[in-house]
Amino acid sequence: DAGVIQSPRHEVTEMGQEVTLRCKPISGHNSLFWYRQTMMRGLELLIYFNNNVPIDDSGMPEDRFSAKMPNASFSTLKIQPSEPRDSAVYFCASSLKLLETQYFGPGTRLLVL
Amino acid sequence: AQTVTQSQPEMSVQEAETVTLSCTYDTSESNYYLFWYKQPPSRQMILVIRQEAYKQQNATENRFSVNFQKAAKSFSLKISDSQLGDTAMYFCAFMSTNSGYALNFGKGTSLLVTP
Repeated sequence: DAGVIQSPRHEVTEMGQEVTLRCKPISGHNSLFWYRQTMMRGLELLIYFNNNVPIDDSGMPEDRFSAKMPNASFSTLKIQPSEPRDSAVYFCASSLKLLETQYFGPGTRLLVL
Repeated sequence: AQTVTQSQPEMSVQEAETVTLSCTYDTSESNYYLFWYKQPPSRQMILVIRQEAYKQQNATENRFSVNFQKAAKSFSLKISDSQLGDTAMYFCAFMSTNSGYALNFGKGTSLLVTP
């Protein structure tokens, strides 16, 4: 069975550019989460969706970040404009429903120069 | 917000030995879920084990087991017969309805298994 799929796996961009990260959750999973991992802050939640609806986006750093889930099999996290402090590993995770185990994708390593 | 504390930044164990990683958490809730995730050098986050707070029996998955002490708010992970492939960062995580359904992670313990 396919796990959570994320693309790209690595992204290097210059400050000011738009970055779009993509996630395909496990088929049949109704909850999707975006996390960010940095050395300074560890793993932190950015936003999560339930049945394609954003439920909690309080972890989104600022207006430069936005996330969408147009259907049950696809979500995007967009950063516009990107800044060097956005450099991190971004993980997408999905679960069958809320309070069920979350399964993580391989992550996208983002470097903003 | 719930706090998850892993007091051991780094640990080392010899192959075939047993090691225990510590985790404590702070919550006023009675119903919640606890997890251990493993992150090898590939950076993939891999579920190791899950424990429901309402279950008194400690969870076990092959060589991995937990010691869940609800009153003490302690959730340690024991790895038996350590293998070189167990070398990784291990994260303890908390989840509950009141914490917003997201995983709240500790800062991790880096485990090195040596030959």
